[in-house]
Parts: sequence; C-alpha cells; structure tokens
Amino acid sequence: DAGVIQSPRHEVTEMGQEVTLRCKPISGHNSLFWYRQTMMRGLELLIYFNNNVPIDDSGMPEDRFSAKMPNASFSTLKIQPSEPRDSAVYFCASSLLRRVNEQFFGPGTRLTVL
Amino acid sequence: AQTVTQSQPEMSVQEAETVTLSCTYDTSESDYYLFWYKQPPSRQMILVIRQEAYKQQNATENRFSVNFQKAAKSFSLKISDSQLGDAAMYFCAYTGTASKLTFGTGTRLQVTL
Repeated sequence: DAGVIQSPRHEVTEMGQEVTLRCKPISGHNSLFWYRQTMMRGLELLIYFNNNVPIDDSGMPEDRFSAKMPNASFSTLKIQPSEPRDSAVYFCASSLLRRVNEQFFGPGTRLTVL
Repeated sequence: AQTVTQSQPEMSVQEAETVTLSCTYDTSESDYYLFWYKQPPSRQMILVIRQEAYKQQNATENRFSVNFQKAAKSFSLKISDSQLGDAAMYFCAYTGTASKLTFGTGTRLQVTL
C-alpha cells in the first residue's frame, strides 16, 4: 500500500515567491493534517481536515498561509508571499476519522526560503 | 491546553544495552492517547508505540516498552537491546478530544559500539 505522498520533497525558493506543497493521503483516510517542524518551535499542527472540511486552522501562522482540500485524495498548503522564516519541514499526515489516534505521516517537504 | 515535556535533549546508550527516555504531559482530559515517534535522519516520522490512557497495562512492541504512570502523568520509553538503527530523534506525543497531535521537543538518542 502506498503511504502518504508529499511533493515536492525539497523546495528552494526566493523570498516573495509563492510556494505550493502537495499531499495525497492514504486511500480511504478521511482526516488530513498539516504539521510544520522547525528548530525553534518543534513540531506543530497547522490545520486539519475531516471529510475535506477544515476543522481547526488555529495553527496557521498568518494570512500568508492557506490550505485546501478539494477532494478526498488531494490537499495543498500554499504560502504567498514566502519569507525566510517559513523555512521548515512540512509534514502531511492522514488517518481514518474514527481513528485519529493512528496518524500516518508522509516523508515531509523541506522548504528553504532564501 | 495540553503540553508534553521531554527533559532530556540527548541520551547515549551502548549497543545491546537498555535506555529509558522520559516524557511528562499535562492534561485535564480523561480519555487520550500517548505515542512515541522515531525520526531518523531521513526525517520520516515513524510510530514506535502507542498507549491508550484507559488501559492500565503498559504497551510493548518487541524491544520497545513504555512505563505509563497516569497519576503522575508520566510516559517513558524503554528500549532494550539497543541497536545502531535505533539512533534517531524520539518524540513523545499526545492526542485527546482535539484530534491533533501535540509533540514534545524531542530526545536525540545516540547508540555507540
């Protein structure tokens, strides 16, 4: 079985550019989570969806960040405009709605904003 | 709000020996789950072991076991017969009614020959 798929694995961009990170959850999973990992703040939840609907976006740092889940098999996290402090590893995770205690993580996207 | 604390930034263990990683948490919820995740240099988050709060029996997975002390809000991980492949960052995590995972700051484990 394919696990959670994230693309790209690495992204290097310049300050001010738009960045889009992509995630394909495990087939059949109906909860999806975006996490960010930095040295300063560790691992923190940005937003999560149940059945494609955003449930909690309180972790989204500011209006420059937005996330969508147009269907059950695809989600995006967009940063516009990007800033150097957005440099981090971004993880996507998915689970069954009734078993959110079993979250499966993707390999992460390492974002570097110059 | 729930918090997870890992007080050991780094630990070291010799191959074949046993090591214990500490974790404490704070919550007012009665129904929750606790986890230990392993993050090797590849940065993949790998679930090592999970404990349901309502279960008194400590979870075990092969060489990995936990010591869950609910009253003390303590959740330590014991790795027996340590192997070189166990070297990684280990994160303690909590989830309750809010569904999201709350992570500790991590413990870097080194395994020496």
